[in-house]
Amino acid sequence: NAGVTQTPKFQVLKTGQSMTLQCAQDMNHEYMSWYRQDPGMGLRLIHYSVGAGITDQGEVPNGYNVSRSTTEDFPLRLLSAAPSQTSVYFCASTGRSASSYNSPLHFGNGTRLTVT
Amino acid sequence: GESVGLHLPTLSVQEGDNSIINCAYSNSASDYFIWYKQESGKGPQFIIDIRSNMDKRQGQRVTVLLNKTVKHLSLQIAATQPGDSAVYFCAVGYSSASKIIFGSGTRLSIRP
Repeated sequence: NAGVTQTPKFQVLKTGQSMTLQCAQDMNHEYMSWYRQDPGMGLRLIHYSVGAGITDQGEVPNGYNVSRSTTEDFPLRLLSAAPSQTSVYFCASTGRSASSYNSPLHFGNGTRLTVT
Repeated sequence: GESVGLHLPTLSVQEGDNSIINCAYSNSASDYFIWYKQESGKGPQFIIDIRSNMDKRQGQRVTVLLNKTVKHLSLQIAATQPGDSAVYFCAVGYSSASKIIFGSGTRLSIRP
């Protein structure tokens, strides 16, 4: 059972480039989310989804887009990368839908992104 | 706005002693509380959770205490071992929204 899989593990972008961070889970979880982790800041919620076709903004959504066409996948898109988006990005999922905040998140191992 | 904060960014404990990591939250509507452990290069790993209708919950070597009056929770680790070295995060969930907010983390180091 792979759990939550994130690709790539590392990525370097130039300012203005675009890319998609991939996240897939094989646990049939309805709820998926993206966090970024910066030194001393903990994890901050970017976007989340309570099910296929439904997405919503978290604490720091600017500069990022998401879509949820399937239950398994929740890609995060950077349309025009900026140095402020240098961070470690974590995808997480959990099994409940209506009360998804009320059960623990399962995290992937992260994507370390550097924007120069 | 809502906030979640840990009292100490770092904590050093003698191996075999008990560790206590504290966390404060601001939103009195919070009803779900979780502790995560993050080792270097990995994603956060679930340790233990507690709901607002409880004030104490125990797991294997860990105990979470919740004081809703002062909006405070703590994680106690019994007989701390070298493998407990990590960053520990508290996180808070809200019935009003499907999201979980994290604190900034406490780095626990173990002295031999």
